Amino acid sequence: SQTIHQWPATLVQPVGSPLSLECTVEGTSNPNLYWYRQAAGRGLQLLFYSVGIGQISSEVPQNLSASRPQDRQFILSSKKLLLSDSGFYLCAWSPGTGSLDTFGSGTRLTVV
Amino acid sequence: GNSVTQMEGPVTLSEEAFLTINCTYTATGYPSLFWYVQYPGEGLQLLLKATKADDKGSNKGFEATYRKETTSFHLEKGSVQVSDSAVYFCALTERSSASKIIFGSGTRLSIRP
Repeated sequence: SQTIHQWPATLVQPVGSPLSLECTVEGTSNPNLYWYRQAAGRGLQLLFYSVGIGQISSEVPQNLSASRPQDRQFILSSKKLLLSDSGFYLCAWSPGTGSLDTFGSGTRLTVV
Repeated sequence: GNSVTQMEGPVTLSEEAFLTINCTYTATGYPSLFWYVQYPGEGLQLLLKATKADDKGSNKGFEATYRKETTSFHLEKGSVQVSDSAVYFCALTERSSASKIIFGSGTRLSIRP
């Protein structure tokens, strides 16, 4: 069965510090991978998705970036965090059928 | 661009009441439509889906019918239970590009015993 690992679970970072959130998938190959942000009262916002190694589609221009160095690894980064980057970040994967099969457990990021 | 609009919550109902959570969409082409659910303290999970017009997705007593003429995918349940309390998200993906999956803002549902 497929599993998705996301870490860390919680993170408190000062404004201007860098960020690196990692997501890995097990039990499947060539998945589509996604990063979403769930801000309080605002639902799920698609940030990035990737259909393959090195292929990143960005949905929201901001100071975040994503990379996919390996088939089952998806990383969300920032060089300098802003207060507005606070939120709940979710990684998810899809076999390419259109529905998201599994979500990670999420990372709650608080920028102070 | 593509978008999904859900009714704002929170929605509070008594047990055994009839539930409708409205969802409408804007999309080019013919999207596939989904409802996801997030129970308290748990991750998101797929509840049901429909991939073409007039399809009805169903699961756990919930139903939603893909209405192309009204661009809607309303979630319904005939008799809700306390255990249905959760946040419900409507979502779509373009058939032509199954990679991009867009969510609505979510609707929080609370059921009173």
